[in-house]
Amino acid sequence: DTGVSQDPRHKITKRGQNVTFRCDPISEHNRLYWYRQTLGQGPEFLTYFQNEAQLEKSRLLSDRFSAERPKGSFSTLEIQRTEQGDSAMYLCASSSSDRSSGNTIYFGEGSWLTVV
Amino acid sequence: AQKVTQAQTEISVVEKEDVTLDCVYETRDTTYYLFWYKQPPSGELVFLIRRNSFDEQNEISGRYSWNFQKSTSSFNFTITASQVVDSAVYFCALSEAPYNTDKLIFGTGTRLQVFP
Repeated sequence: DTGVSQDPRHKITKRGQNVTFRCDPISEHNRLYWYRQTLGQGPEFLTYFQNEAQLEKSRLLSDRFSAERPKGSFSTLEIQRTEQGDSAMYLCASSSSDRSSGNTIYFGEGSWLTVV
Repeated sequence: AQKVTQAQTEISVVEKEDVTLDCVYETRDTTYYLFWYKQPPSGELVFLIRRNSFDEQNEISGRYSWNFQKSTSSFNFTITASQVVDSAVYFCALSEAPYNTDKLIFGTGTRLQVFP
């Protein structure tokens, strides 16, 4: 197992453009999370999936943000009409609801977004 | 409301010194998990430890040790004989309602710089 992988690792985009990030969780994990991290801050929760169902969304997730996990495997996070305030690192994480395997949450390397 | 406080923004030590990173948390849950993650410059959050609220035993793993005290709501992390490779940002995190979701609440992190 190669862990949580994210793509792209870096993205520079012009204000107003749309961007999409992809996350591939650890294969046996049915829970998937998106977090956002700005400089000097800890990661902040954005949204959470269990299998294909999006069960929770943070108030931070404005209408310009949409996340999907159509087959309960990989997930995408799309930001429409990007703004400079969207510049951050977007982290994906996964875990298992099977408590026999513990509830450790594993993170990917993150996708850095710079909006110019 | 759940909250994690890491009062130390930045710590600088010389190699081989011992260093303790403080973490204080707030929660009304009786069942919760506490975590420490390491974030090197590459950005990935590396899992270090998970501790549940019913287990107050201290833990040692090589040069790392953790002191969990429910009476003071603290979960401090000590690195013994620090090394340059320990330089990173360290985050303490709290998992609320761990049996329903593994959503994490992070502190703002402590940047540790270890100089040779």
